[in-house]
Amino acid sequence: GNSVTQMEGPVTLSEEAFLTINCTYTATGYPSLFWYVQYPGEGLQLLLKATKADDKGSNKGFEATYRKETTSFHLEKGSVQVSDSAVYFCALSDLGYSSASKIIFGSGTRLSIRP
Amino acid sequence: EAQVTQNPRYLITVTGKKLTVTCSQNMNHEYMSWYRQDPGLGLRQIYYSMNVEVTDKGDVPEGYKVSRKEKRNFPLILESPSPNQTSLYFCASSPWTPLGTEAFFGQGTRLTVV
Repeated sequence: GNSVTQMEGPVTLSEEAFLTINCTYTATGYPSLFWYVQYPGEGLQLLLKATKADDKGSNKGFEATYRKETTSFHLEKGSVQVSDSAVYFCALSDLGYSSASKIIFGSGTRLSIRP
Repeated sequence: EAQVTQNPRYLITVTGKKLTVTCSQNMNHEYMSWYRQDPGLGLRQIYYSMNVEVTDKGDVPEGYKVSRKEKRNFPLILESPSPNQTSLYFCASSPWTPLGTEAFFGQGTRLTVV
């Protein structure tokens, strides 16, 4: 079945550092890919998404490109801020394709940014 | 405002005392799902539902029940809670569509079973 493998954390960086959080997936068909963010004490919220190969999702300075050839959707940001400290989840959805479709999440990566 | 509402936000209960965590969405979404979040284990799916009266097991269904009698509501039932069900629980909903629409999450329910 479908699966998502995400870089283990925690990840600790200094402010203004470059961020990469790796995410790879296995899937049949043409799933959509997502990054969700969870701030302390809150639920998950969508950060960005891509619905087909070579699409680039972007939001709040974060970017990720849907790479079908490497089955990856790595999250990047050029200069992180303390306010980016959160848990980040990579996710895959094939909803609507079959009765077995669902949304699958990676294990989450905790990111801490030092001032 | 589009939202998923879970209640209660916090709950402390004793082993064996039946409880229900409610989840309601106002977006007319077909797909709803329950997850538990535990340190080091990420989000694990408990049950999901593709529409009214259609539910299926996720990865960790043991000890839980769900029902989907109305489209907007998807309660999670713990018939006989045990301490290993102490966790943070999230409900989510999404349209049933291959168009890559995002899932919307509730604020979470922190459950402690003593």
